[in-house]
Amino acid sequence: QQQVKQSPQSLIVQKGGISIINCAYENTAFDYFPWYQQFPGKGPALLIAIRPDVSEKKEGRFTISFNKSAKQFSLHIMDSQPGDSATYFCAASITGNQFYFGTGTSLTVIP
Amino acid sequence: ETGVTQTPRHLVMGMTNKKSLKCEQHLGHNAMYWYKQSAKKPLELMFVYNFKEQTENNSVPSRFSPECPNSSHLFLHLHTLQPEDSALYLCASSQAGEGGHEQFFGPGTRLTVL
Repeated sequence: QQQVKQSPQSLIVQKGGISIINCAYENTAFDYFPWYQQFPGKGPALLIAIRPDVSEKKEGRFTISFNKSAKQFSLHIMDSQPGDSATYFCAASITGNQFYFGTGTSLTVIP
Repeated sequence: ETGVTQTPRHLVMGMTNKKSLKCEQHLGHNAMYWYKQSAKKPLELMFVYNFKEQTENNSVPSRFSPECPNSSHLFLHLHTLQPEDSALYLCASSQAGEGGHEQFFGPGTRLTVL
């Protein structure tokens, strides 16, 4: 059973637009929700992360919105740029000891 | 990414070959991981080593054999693989424990099994 469900599988956004990627989970024991960014030929790199005691976290153009009651969290990329074109993975973990990843979203930002 | 290195970056092997993947972390972490990344699938956790002790193996076939000689090095020994084992194999490390710590990934080894 997939622990973390991610959508959409792919996303095309115009430069300057907002990119939104969604994830849902079932296990209420998860206490750490990171987003990873992966460029071709590279390993995933942590982009931003949130814990369930806050509903939103913002770092520059990247924001995580977290809805504990709905067991959903999403990544918003404001003013999307061509350099943001990459694959994005959401994940969830319990005490950081085991991570469950979503299937990934391939983002393409068109100039 | 430079904190976790993996070699080789690309590997092509036949089904009867034996090869090893190597991972090294320079971050002082106490946990290391092997993941399998296939197209359109979630990253699959294969093995976890915490303080050099294997804590998870997630029912990985025995043709994959991990080795963790110390907290900085991790190997994945491969033998009699199948074509469906072709994938990107990622190594990661973290400072595991309470609070949920970031996993740092290496660049991966692209494995092709013929």
